[in-house]
Amino acid sequence: AQTVTQSQPEMSVQEAETVTLSCTYDTSESDYYLFWYKQPPSRQMILVIRQEAYKQQNATENRFSVNFQKAAKSFSLKISDSQLGDAAMYFCAYRSYLQGAQKLVFGQGTRLTINP
Amino acid sequence: GAGVSQSPRYKVAKRGQDVALRCDPISGHVSLFWYQQALGQGPEFLTYFQNEAQLDKSGLPSDRFFAERPEGSVSTLKIQRTQQEDSAVYLCASSLDWNTEAFFGQGTRLTVV
Repeated sequence: AQTVTQSQPEMSVQEAETVTLSCTYDTSESDYYLFWYKQPPSRQMILVIRQEAYKQQNATENRFSVNFQKAAKSFSLKISDSQLGDAAMYFCAYRSYLQGAQKLVFGQGTRLTINP
Repeated sequence: GAGVSQSPRYKVAKRGQDVALRCDPISGHVSLFWYQQALGQGPEFLTYFQNEAQLDKSGLPSDRFFAERPEGSVSTLKIQRTQQEDSAVYLCASSLDWNTEAFFGQGTRLTVV
């Protein structure tokens, strides 16, 4: 079974600075998806960024980018120019590429605080 | 609707009561998922539907948990004889098909007292 580990329960960063959230995972599959989700106090999970394992290029979405290291099974999220609205819980998640196995496996989460 | 809608937003149940949690997915979405999120933890998979077929229920923690989606749209998660350990946020998500982005609702926070 796949597992996802986030080793940083809490992180904080000054507004406008850069912060990196860590995630490692374990799988025996060669094709899969990795995600970062944001969960504000409203509880609704919001997709931040997605990476397909077969793509070597790291995904980027505006101020959000990932460092995907397939051999090391590492998938970190970098947030540049942090904004107050970025404060939330962040979850790393894994999904198999196989049809019928598309449940998301989540890590324990990292609470991100933005200091003004 | 515009997004995944869950009701009620909050539910308090006495231990031993039965509860029913509702999920209205985005119209036309084939896939529907239920997750359980304990306080301070990441969500954990409960069950998955493709249209009205329940293809995976491996995450349901006991036979007190039951989910259905009879017409392939609205889904209900039922918990019988609730226990304190059932207290959690229950999240529903839907996606257009098996390989597309899942959209989440705001969840139902269940407190068993």
